[in-house]
Amino acid sequence: DAKTTQPPSMDCAEGRAANLPCNHSTISGNEYVYWYRQIHSQGPQYIIHGLKNNETNEMASLIITEDRKSSTLILPHATLRDTAVYYCIVRTKGGNKLVFGAGTILRVKS
Amino acid sequence: GAVVSQHPSRVICKSGTSVKIECRSLDFQATTMFWYRQFPKQSLMLMATSNEGSKATYEQGVEKDKFLINHASLTLSTLTVTSAHPEDSSFYICSAPPTAPQETQYFGPGTRLLVL
Repeated sequence: DAKTTQPPSMDCAEGRAANLPCNHSTISGNEYVYWYRQIHSQGPQYIIHGLKNNETNEMASLIITEDRKSSTLILPHATLRDTAVYYCIVRTKGGNKLVFGAGTILRVKS
Repeated sequence: GAVVSQHPSRVICKSGTSVKIECRSLDFQATTMFWYRQFPKQSLMLMATSNEGSKATYEQGVEKDKFLINHASLTLSTLTVTSAHPEDSSFYICSAPPTAPQETQYFGPGTRLLVL
């Protein structure tokens, strides 16, 4: 599975949009981009995933560049409860194990 | 969505004892489950893949005799930390991919192990 690169940390004001970038320049054609987050002392929580089209669900939006070498997770109206570590993972759909990188620590501040 | 539970949520034990952690898929069957370990301020590290009806597959550097894995049924996998030592203190998390054609893995809430 391709490797991903994320900034180590980001701050966001409460109520504003949080835009979390991820680089995956070696992604292959059959690999999806998945996003998970981990709130302190909890198991990871699935957020969203996509292949090449932009995706939106009740939690977030995922914007994938046309060349698929990078993506952005958007939390439209961040709240204090969105403070967590966000992981961007690339893998084949239905593939087995997930390999976690360091992720981005998102701090939402009032 | 699918639910994965873990028990216990936290455990404190003396050095040299063994600790068993259970991972259950509550509303789906899982022929495969994954066990991760997470040290403070670090990312999740995959330890092993548990397979129902066959031996677990361990990642490089993980001692299979120390971390015993048993996938007893399609809804239960257990991780036993044998002869635990303080350096085994960590957050242990399991996950399971549903056998139905969903696309994501679901994670348990984790088990905090403290070895004194």
